[in-house]
Amino acid sequence: DIQMTQSPSSVSASVGDRVTITCRASQDISSWLAWYQQKPGKAPNLLIYVASILQGGVPSRFSGSGSGTDFTLTISSLQPEDFATYYCQQANSFPFTFGQGTRLEIK
Amino acid sequence: QVQLVQSGAEVKKPGASVKVSCKASGYIFTSYDINWVRQATGQGLEWMGWMNPNSGNTGFAQKFQGRLTMTRSTSISTAYMELSSLRSEDTAVYYCARWRTAGRHSFDYWGQGTLVTVSS
Repeated sequence: DIQMTQSPSSVSASVGDRVTITCRASQDISSWLAWYQQKPGKAPNLLIYVASILQGGVPSRFSGSGSGTDFTLTISSLQPEDFATYYCQQANSFPFTFGQGTRLEIK
Repeated sequence: QVQLVQSGAEVKKPGASVKVSCKASGYIFTSYDINWVRQATGQGLEWMGWMNPNSGNTGFAQKFQGRLTMTRSTSISTAYMELSSLRSEDTAVYYCARWRTAGRHSFDYWGQGTLVTVSS
């Protein structure tokens, strides 16, 4: 199975800050990576797919990059509604696997 | 608009089975695989398996082999996930999610989640 490791596990930031979350795959997954945002009590919401393509309706302050084994999710200027938990997911092969999540908290 | 609406919360005893439904609307049900993902309280997301609603073909994560079943009713655009031999560690919120391919590999729509509690 492909292991996905996110860092940091949690981060505190302020409105307007730029935040970067990293995700590392245990083997090459090309660009088959998706990012999701999850708020408490809600289902995950797709932000980015194929490593860098923004899902429709997602604000442009979100961006993704990377290929192979190393990926990043960047939020350019944090807004109050961005405080949530973020997950990466490899879409390269079964079994699909998720990172452990990064909790983004208000400083 | 695309929607996945799941059945309500369940409380089950250890050793029992649970069957959760996921009703799709707003798209052609047989055109997208349905996957199931679960999340224990305060924990991360765990992929369980997939089903092709057109063929009925399925695939499961190794840890669920032998006690996970996925079925569907195409006439009512509904997918089902049944987990047997329940234990306390199966207490979680279970989500169905639509899997998008064609170079856009991702879960683009999710159900609202179904809490399954396993307790004696």
